[in-house]
Amino acid sequence: EPEVTQTPSHQVTQMGQEVILRCVPISNHLYFYWYRQILGQKVEFLVSFYNNEISEKSEIFDDQFSVERPDGSNFTLKIRSTKLEDSAMYFCASRKTSAGGADTQYFGPGTRLTVL
Amino acid sequence: AQKVTQAQTEISVVEKEDVTLDCVYETRDTTYYLFWYKQPPSGELVFLIRRNSFDEQNEISGRYSWNFQKSTSSFNFTITASQVVDSAVYFCALGGANFGNEKLTFGTGTRLTIIP
Repeated sequence: EPEVTQTPSHQVTQMGQEVILRCVPISNHLYFYWYRQILGQKVEFLVSFYNNEISEKSEIFDDQFSVERPDGSNFTLKIRSTKLEDSAMYFCASRKTSAGGADTQYFGPGTRLTVL
Repeated sequence: AQKVTQAQTEISVVEKEDVTLDCVYETRDTTYYLFWYKQPPSGELVFLIRRNSFDEQNEISGRYSWNFQKSTSSFNFTITASQVVDSAVYFCALGGANFGNEKLTFGTGTRLTIIP
């Protein structure tokens, strides 16, 4: 069964460093998402992406964050200058159809980001 | 604004007991989608069910059942004859139905512990 994959599973970085989190969505999916979950808290939406553009973003997704689909398979989240409060589990998700919300978002296993 | 409330932070039951996880939501949309996801100790988010706002039929899948009541804005989840493998954090989520508004809004989760 196709699944969303994410690399790395765990990333440790120093405050102020740039990190890139990588995701490979399910191959015939059209919509891509990033969410984050600070340890012990709820899952929060960061950004949605369709047709090579951001379609929606939350107030968390400030200028430090960017997303890109550099080729036909990868979907990346870049954090330019990490802060301690960026430490969290980052989930990528993808969805298939063009009808808004009508299809399920399938989540990857997550990347745990630790900022020291 | 969309909101999901899971008032039960933690529940512990003895194996084979039935348990119900509560979810109450708020939205101004007339069309929306409700979801349940399971997060086992390994950390991934596992999709369990999707319901659209026009379908109030209850659903049963094996030991799992869901009760959607639009009148009370609730989407409760019952596990019958619980097993140790059901131990996890369970998230209820609400999604919009329009393009640009399909992000998932998650509740804070209910940590379910099944005692052998």
